Amino acid sequence: EIVLTQSPGTLSLSPGERATLSCRASQSVSSSYLAWYQQKPGQAPRLLIYATSSRATGIPDRFSGSGSGTDFTLTISRLEPEDFVVYYCQQYNSSPWTFGQGTKVEIK
Amino acid sequence: QVQLVESGGDVVQPGRSLRLSCAASGFTFSSYGMHWVRQAPGKGLEWVAVIWGDGSNKYYADSVKGRFTISRDNSKNTLYLQMNSLRVEDTAIYYCATDGGADAFRIWGQGTMVTVSS
Repeated sequence: EIVLTQSPGTLSLSPGERATLSCRASQSVSSSYLAWYQQKPGQAPRLLIYATSSRATGIPDRFSGSGSGTDFTLTISRLEPEDFVVYYCQQYNSSPWTFGQGTKVEIK
Repeated sequence: QVQLVESGGDVVQPGRSLRLSCAASGFTFSSYGMHWVRQAPGKGLEWVAVIWGDGSNKYYADSVKGRFTISRDNSKNTLYLQMNSLRVEDTAIYYCATDGGADAFRIWGQGTMVTVSS
């Protein structure tokens, strides 16, 4: 099983700042099968980024993804008020599909 | 409109059974593998099970293997999760989601709450 470890657990920033979220895998993950999701309180997760760096439909270009092998990053270039929520990375190459434990982005 | 709608969540006692449903609309259901993902209160996301579009393959998380069964009825555009021998630790919101291959879990339902408590 591929274990994904996200850091930091909580990120305290101000609106307009840049956010960098990390996702480290216990073994190499194909770049084609690493995704990021955003989850707002009381809502289902929403796909942000798939295949490491491809934005899902309707996702603003302030969200970007990068990485390879065991280290992946989600970057939010300029935080908007609605971005202060929880983010999960996921590998979906094979069973068992696994998620990171999440990073909460909070207002400083 | 592309949509997934879960139902069947309830409060049940440990050891009992429950069946969840996920009704799909707005896309060709049989062309997509389908997943169940759960989220315990205040916790992260946990993948539960997957079924191929034609139902030919199924995989389960170790935590539910032997107790849960995923199935689908493509004629009804509906996904199911039969949950037997429920445990307190199965308490969670259960989401269904599409498997878009390289496109990840593109579509999610709103979730249905399962509470296992005596």
